[in-house]
Amino acid sequence: EAGVVQSPRYKIIEKKQPVAFWCNPISGHNTLYWYLQNLGQGPELLIRYENEEAVDDSQLPKDRFSAERLKGVDSTLKIQPAELGDSAVYLCASSSGQGAAKNIQYFGAGTRLSVL
Amino acid sequence: AQSVTQLDSHVSVSEGTPVLLRCNYSSSYSPSLFWYVQHPNKGLQLLLKYTSAATLVKGINGFEAEFKKSETSFHLTKPSAHMSDAAEYFCVVSDLNRDDKIIFGKGTRLHILP
Repeated sequence: EAGVVQSPRYKIIEKKQPVAFWCNPISGHNTLYWYLQNLGQGPELLIRYENEEAVDDSQLPKDRFSAERLKGVDSTLKIQPAELGDSAVYLCASSSGQGAAKNIQYFGAGTRLSVL
Repeated sequence: AQSVTQLDSHVSVSEGTPVLLRCNYSSSYSPSLFWYVQHPNKGLQLLLKYTSAATLVKGINGFEAEFKKSETSFHLTKPSAHMSDAAEYFCVVSDLNRDDKIIFGKGTRLHILP
């Protein structure tokens, strides 16, 4: 079974440029998460989807960040325009919607963003 | 509101000696608790989870954790450290069944000395 797939693995851009990250969750997983992980810190949740609905986006900086999961499967996270402080690792995770397994998240390898 | 505190940012142990990584949580009820491990340049992997069943939880690679409600703790232990255990470990509190927030601790980096 394929795990959570993220692309690209690395991205280097100049400030004020747009950038997008893509995530394909594990097949059949209804819940998808985007996290931001700064160096030396734990992941911080940006947005959580249940199917195509964003059920928790309270931590998403909506002035420059956006996300979509149009068909309830894969998802994209966009930053426009990027700022120097956005340099971090962006993690995607998924989980099934069934009982106790709902809480178990499977993570992708992440996208490391460097903003110059 | 929920919160989680990992009491040590770095822990160093010699190979073959016990490992103790400390985690305290705050919650208005008994949440679900998790430990994840992150090896360099790899994704986070679930080590073990507590979801209100047995208070002593066994995970992968010989790790286990004990839920102590009176101490609001969920410390991670392993009897004998191996070089391959060197990684970053995260304690997590959440309960999506209650639509609560998912909170990661700041992490503990485990160093294994030869």
